[in-house]
Amino acid sequence: QVQLVQSGREVKKPGASVKVSCKASGYTFTNYGIGWVRQAPGQGLEWMGWISTYSDDTNYAQNLQVRVTMTADTAANTAYMELRGLTSGDTAIYYCARGVVAAGPLDSWGQGTLVIVSS
Amino acid sequence: QPVLTQSPSASASLGASVKLTCTLSSGHSSYAIAWHQQQPEKGPRFLMSLNNDGSHNKGDGIPDRFSGSSSGAERYLTISSLQSEDEADYYCQTWGTGVIFGGGTKLTVL
Repeated sequence: QVQLVQSGREVKKPGASVKVSCKASGYTFTNYGIGWVRQAPGQGLEWMGWISTYSDDTNYAQNLQVRVTMTADTAANTAYMELRGLTSGDTAIYYCARGVVAAGPLDSWGQGTLVIVSS
Repeated sequence: QPVLTQSPSASASLGASVKLTCTLSSGHSSYAIAWHQQQPEKGPRFLMSLNNDGSHNKGDGIPDRFSGSSSGAERYLTISSLQSEDEADYYCQTWGTGVIFGGGTKLTVL
């Protein structure tokens, strides 16, 4: 079955960077892209962007595009999301999710990675 | 870019049915959406994609109690025979140049 397994909890200081991984199994990795979504405490879902695991094309949310980089390692069936210049406002659970195209439904989700930004 | 509007909360009794609504903004009534469920302290789970003609494709393992329908700019998620584990937040999602989420509906099962 399709599984997306994410890396563990992170605690970072303001100004630092974080890199979250998302390892896929149960399907052909390059047939689907990976989207990233975050959820601040008590809030709704915020789309961050998407990467094609086939071509490495990316589509980032406008409000994050200067601070975020999404990559994929096809040999390891793993996608990564790096966020730089962290502030307390980036404290959230970060989810990866499978999506065929950048603009389309997300049909399988990772378990989430909690990132805490605190001095 | 479309905007999705959801009621913040809904409630229904155990064993009953409930219909949740997601409304697409003006000029975007032909858009397809997806429904996701987020149980307390868990990550989201894909329920189904739903087209403007009401046709839908459910995710793996989603019970028949969950169904979708459409009317104009409204997209619906109907849950029948409500169970306690259906108490969750329900998000609709659509897409334009990127992905857009509605604000979510918190469903309470009484």
